[in-house]
Amino acid sequence: RKEVEQDPGPFNVPEGATVAFNCTYSNSASQSFFWYRQDCRKEPKLLMSVYSSGNEDGRFTAQLNRASQYISLLIRDSKLSDSATYLCAVNWKGGYNKLIFGAGTRLAVHP
Amino acid sequence: DVKVTQSSRYLVKRTGEKVFLECVQDMDHENMFWYRQDPGLGLRLIYFSYDVKMKEKGDIPEGYSVSREKKERFSLILESASTNQTSMYLCASSSSTSVSTDTQYFGPGTRLTVL
Repeated sequence: RKEVEQDPGPFNVPEGATVAFNCTYSNSASQSFFWYRQDCRKEPKLLMSVYSSGNEDGRFTAQLNRASQYISLLIRDSKLSDSATYLCAVNWKGGYNKLIFGAGTRLAVHP
Repeated sequence: DVKVTQSSRYLVKRTGEKVFLECVQDMDHENMFWYRQDPGLGLRLIYFSYDVKMKEKGDIPEGYSVSREKKERFSLILESASTNQTSMYLCASSSSTSVSTDTQYFGPGTRLTVL
């Protein structure tokens, strides 16, 4: 089993739709979780950290489910500009500040 | 804002050449990382460093070496470039001491083609 797994997609949704992605992780000792956004041929940029209590930033909501070992990202009222690849990242509790990244989920929002 | 810069956006080299990729961060971060990203494989960690002159192997260190002589600079070296090292190379940094430890910030990437 991969340490961090994501559905590669693509998720093709119309503008205004609500879409959700999940990311599963294998290390139950992981403590830090993140969602990054990556546009085509650009670097990943931090979208949001994921806290135990969940967190919301505008149209974006991130949740953590420790029992089932997954994090989720919900995007409401999708915009064309949300089209990108979304990477999840989980810290590796073997020391140092190392993150393990998923391969990403591609989202395509169409008019 | 954290700024991570990389020396080149695009690079074309020939097989067997020695290649240097430079990364500089301006936030006094302790940790620096080199990844490569290939379609379908995601980000794979090559090497990382948690202090000056310290380095640790990541998941795919073969064919690469690194140098960290100053805190702000982390260099990736391809001793003898091969075609299977054609890839997007991403540098990242993070702090060990701030409340947002673990959060990594990326440079713009270097797209390396080895012919």
